[in-house]
Amino acid sequence: KAGVTQTPRYLIKTRGQQVTLSCSPISGHRSVSWYQQTPGQGLQFLFEYFSETQRNKGNFPGRFSGRQFSNSRSEMNVSTLELGDSALYLCASSVGWGNEQFFGPGTRLTVL
Amino acid sequence: DQQVKQNSPSLSVQEGRISILNCDYTNSMFDYFLWYKKYPAEGPTFLISISSIKDKNEDGRFTVFLNKSAKHLSLHIVPSQPGDSAVYFCAASGGTGANSKLTFGKGITLSVRP
Repeated sequence: KAGVTQTPRYLIKTRGQQVTLSCSPISGHRSVSWYQQTPGQGLQFLFEYFSETQRNKGNFPGRFSGRQFSNSRSEMNVSTLELGDSALYLCASSVGWGNEQFFGPGTRLTVL
Repeated sequence: DQQVKQNSPSLSVQEGRISILNCDYTNSMFDYFLWYKKYPAEGPTFLISISSIKDKNEDGRFTVFLNKSAKHLSLHIVPSQPGDSAVYFCAASGGTGANSKLTFGKGITLSVRP
C-alpha cells in the first residue's frame, strides 16, 4: 500500500505571496490532518478533515485554510505569507477517530 | 497551555543500555497515547500506542508504561541501538470533538552513542 504523499517537497516563497500544499492519504483513509513543525515547538495542529468536512481546527490565523476532496486528497493554503510561516508542514492520514496517524514526508516551506 | 509535555529536550544513552523517555499530560480526557519517532527530513513514524485501559504495552524492544493517576507515560527502549537516534514525540487524544485530535509534545532528541 502506498504511503502518504505530499507535494511539493520543498518550496521557497516571498512575504505576501500565497502557497498551496497538497496531500494524498493512504488509500482507504478518510481523515487527513495537517501540522506545522518548527524548531522547538513540536508539531502544532492546524486542522483535520474527514469526508470533506473540517472536523477539528487548531489555533492558527485565518490565513491558514484547507479543504478535502471526495477522493480524500487534501490541500492547505496559506495566504499573505509571513517570515514566521517558514516551517515543515506535515500531513497525516488515518482511518478515522482515535486511530494511528500515518505521516507524509512533509513540505519544507521557506519564506524569504 | 501545553497539554502534552516532554520536559527533557534531549537524552544521550550508551548503546546497549536502556533509554527512558518521559511524557506528562494535563488533559484528563485523554485516553489514547502514542509515541512517534522522527528522523531529519522525514515525517514522524508511528512506534507504539497504549489505551488508558492498560498500564503497559510492549512491542519488541519498545515498551510504553502509563500511569493514569500521575498523568505520566514513558517509553522504554531496551537495548538502545545507534539507529534509535532520532526525535521522539509523545502524542495523546481522547473523547470527541476538539479532544479527538492528536496533541503532540515538543519532542525529545535521543542520541545513542556507539
